[in-house]
Parts: sequence; structure tokens; C-alpha cells
Amino acid sequence: QKEVEQDPGPLSVPEGAIVSLNCTYSNSAFQYFMWYRQYSRKGPELLMYTYSSGNKEDGRFTAQVDKSSKYISLFIRDSQPSDSATYLCAMSESGGTSYGKLTFGQGTILTVHP
Amino acid sequence: DSGVTQTPKHLITATGQRVTLRCSPRSGDLSVYWYQQSLDQGLQFLIQYYNGEERAKGNILERFSAQQFPDLHSELNLSSLELGDSALYFCASSVRGNGVPTFGSGTRLTVV
Repeated sequence: QKEVEQDPGPLSVPEGAIVSLNCTYSNSAFQYFMWYRQYSRKGPELLMYTYSSGNKEDGRFTAQVDKSSKYISLFIRDSQPSDSATYLCAMSESGGTSYGKLTFGQGTILTVHP
Repeated sequence: DSGVTQTPKHLITATGQRVTLRCSPRSGDLSVYWYQQSLDQGLQFLIQYYNGEERAKGNILERFSAQQFPDLHSELNLSSLELGDSALYFCASSVRGNGVPTFGSGTRLTVV
């Protein structure tokens, strides 16, 4: 079983829809949680970064972390065709031998059609 | 442009060969990470350097090695290449050893 599980989709939604992307994890040592967006043939680009449990909002994006359930989410409001990309969740521990290492989910392919 | 520069962008080589991938981190970043992305394994952490020293190691094959030089650029050396090594190799950098990494555009390696 992988440490981080993410539904690969693909997910197809109409423009303006609310998108919900999710990841579950098994390693209780994860303290830092990130969402990256990756366009085709490009490197991952950081969207959101949160520490421990709670919510964080940035424009149309909201990240939620529920450490008790080992579950994180990314919500995209008023989705746009330019949001079409692969979304990757990533997590890291706070120290020890895994210092600095990110563990990624498989990525969810999202298409927003006009 | 993320500020992390990777060269070359594409590389095609034969099985058994050795290649070197190069990465220049963002200005001011001391930590460099290498990741491998393939269709079946996803994005996998290989190794991290901080200010010239190895800081963390993932499932990096013994045929692979890396180093970070005094000017902070890094190289990933892949030897005795196999077909299964074909993948996208990303370099990322951050200011601190446990910072959030910024990724480069990657090197696409094809082994034939």
C-alpha cells in the first residue's frame, strides 16, 4: 500500500464548477502538506502549502487538512479551462532521516471544458 | 520560469550508457532535490543535498549518483542505463533543508 493515495481520475467538469481533489495518507509523521499543479511537459508548480491541520484559502483555491482522518483536500471554485492540469498532493515529515523529502500522490488529471 | 534551470531538456541514449543531468538552483537556494517521474511510479524522491552535503536519500538506485558543487549547482549521474530508466527527471531547490521545493522543467530521458 502506498503512503499517499490519490484518485487519478480523470476528472472532467464544466467551466464554473467547484472541483474537489483529495488525498489520503498512512504516515502519521507527515506534518507539511502541499498541492502542486503540473501542466503537460512542465515541472510541478506549488499552489498551496499548509502545516498540520486546518484550512487555508488563496483566491479560488482552498486547502484543507484533517490529520485525525489522514485526509487532505483541495477545492477549486469557479473553475476555468486554464485550471486543466494534473494536480499532485505532496507531504513531508518535520525532521529525521526524511528531512526535506516530499512524498507525492499519483496525481489527478483535471479537465475543465468551456 | 521557476528559476531552477535544468539541462539538457531532452536526452536520448542507448542501454548501458551513462548520462549526466545538470541543475542550477534558484539564486539563494542552498538545497537541491532530485525526483524521477514515470507513468507507473509517479513522482519519486531520489536524493537531497544541502549546501554541498547529502541530506536525505530516497529509493535511488546504486547505478545513480549525485553531487552538489561549491557553486551549489548539482549533477545527477545515471549509469548502466536500462529501458526502465526512461522517465522525466526533475530538479528542485529550496532555501532551507526542509523548505518547500520549487521545481525545474525537467529532463526527459529516453533509453533505447
